[in-house]
Amino acid sequence: EIVLTQSPATLSLSPGERATLSCRASQSVNTYLAWYQQKPGQAPRLLIYDASNRATGIPARFSGSGSETDFTLTIRSLEPEDSAVYYCQQRAYWLTFGGGTKVEVK
Amino acid sequence: EVQLVESGGILVQPGGSLRLSCAASGFTFSNYWMIWVRQAPGKGLEWVANIKEDGSEQYYVDSVKGRFTISRDNTKNSLFLQMNSLRAEDTAIYYCVRDDHVTIFGVVKYYMDIWGKGTTVTVSS
Repeated sequence: EIVLTQSPATLSLSPGERATLSCRASQSVNTYLAWYQQKPGQAPRLLIYDASNRATGIPARFSGSGSETDFTLTIRSLEPEDSAVYYCQQRAYWLTFGGGTKVEVK
Repeated sequence: EVQLVESGGILVQPGGSLRLSCAASGFTFSNYWMIWVRQAPGKGLEWVANIKEDGSEQYYVDSVKGRFTISRDNTKNSLFLQMNSLRAEDTAIYYCVRDDHVTIFGVVKYYMDIWGKGTTVTVSS
């Protein structure tokens, strides 16, 4: 099983700041990696697929990068509505999720 | 509007059975793999099972193999999850998810693009 480790567990930032979220895979996943945003009481929403491609309707302030085992989700210029838990997920071998990073914007 | 609506989640006793349903609309259901993902209270996301477009292939996470069965009815645009021998650790919100794909440099890349709101399954005596 490929294990995805996300860091930090929690990120507290102010509006306008940049958030950098990390996802590390226990073995190479090439670019078979996606990022999802989940707000309280809601279903997850796809942000990024294939490591760096923004999904339809996702604002340009969200960007993904990385390959093999190290990936980053960057949220440029945070807005209050970006407060959520962010999950990475790999499809290289079966399907597993990281444990999530909680982003607080206040 | 592209939409997935789950139903069937209830409180059930350990060892019991339950069948979840997911009604799809707004897209050609038979063109997509479909997935069930669950989320235990206060926990992260876990893939449960997925099924090919025509239902000919199904895959499961180890913890549900032999207990859960994923199926679909393309004539009714519906996805199902039959859950038997339920355990307390199966308590979760169960999401129905569409699995879309894109071909990049000849390689097919899958991603879960549409999620339902989920249905809650509670296994407790």
